[in-house]
Amino acid sequence: RKEVEQDPGPFNVPEGATVAFNCTYSNSASQSFFWYRQDCRKEPKLLMSVYSSGNEDGRFTAQLNRASQYISLLIRDSKLSDSATYLCVVPRSGGGADGLTFGKGTHLIIQP
Amino acid sequence: NAGVTQTPKFQVLKTGQSMTLQCAQDMNHEYMSWYRQDPGMGLRLIHYSVGAGITDQGEVPNGYNVSRSTTEDFPLRLLSAAPSQTSVYFCASSYSSGPGNTIYFGEGSWLTVV
Repeated sequence: RKEVEQDPGPFNVPEGATVAFNCTYSNSASQSFFWYRQDCRKEPKLLMSVYSSGNEDGRFTAQLNRASQYISLLIRDSKLSDSATYLCVVPRSGGGADGLTFGKGTHLIIQP
Repeated sequence: NAGVTQTPKFQVLKTGQSMTLQCAQDMNHEYMSWYRQDPGMGLRLIHYSVGAGITDQGEVPNGYNVSRSTTEDFPLRLLSAAPSQTSVYFCASSYSSGPGNTIYFGEGSWLTVV
């Protein structure tokens, strides 16, 4: 299994719909996980952190399944502005001392 | 409200030339790192530093040098540029290297080696 694996998409979703995508990771010792959002030709920005079973922030919900080693991101009532690439991120050594491992990203396109 | 500042934003180099990508942060963060992002490859860690005077290699360190003489600055040096180093480079910083620390990225430096 690759360190961090994501479906690259693109996911084409109508505005207002709910969309979810998963990320699998190989380091079973990882304690924290992150979803970053990256707009075209911009830097990644933190969207959500996940430390236990999950986290919710408005329309966004991240869930963690340690047994199956995946995290998911759910976006409800999607907006045009949600169009971006979503990066799944896992600390390299479990604690993050030597940086982060990024997935290749899932490209999301919200269509009017 | 500068955050992480990278310069230059765009650069074209000839094969064999050397250059330095500058990175500075004004948040008093201990942890700084450099990533490169290539199409279809995701971000890959080049070098990182957990504090002034301490640096270490990441996933793809070959062809790059770093130093950390101050907390604020973490320059990345390309010793002899090669076309394979054409990429987008991101500098990042966080308060510490522990989990839960938000990592802030600079706006990126687009480098083309011809």
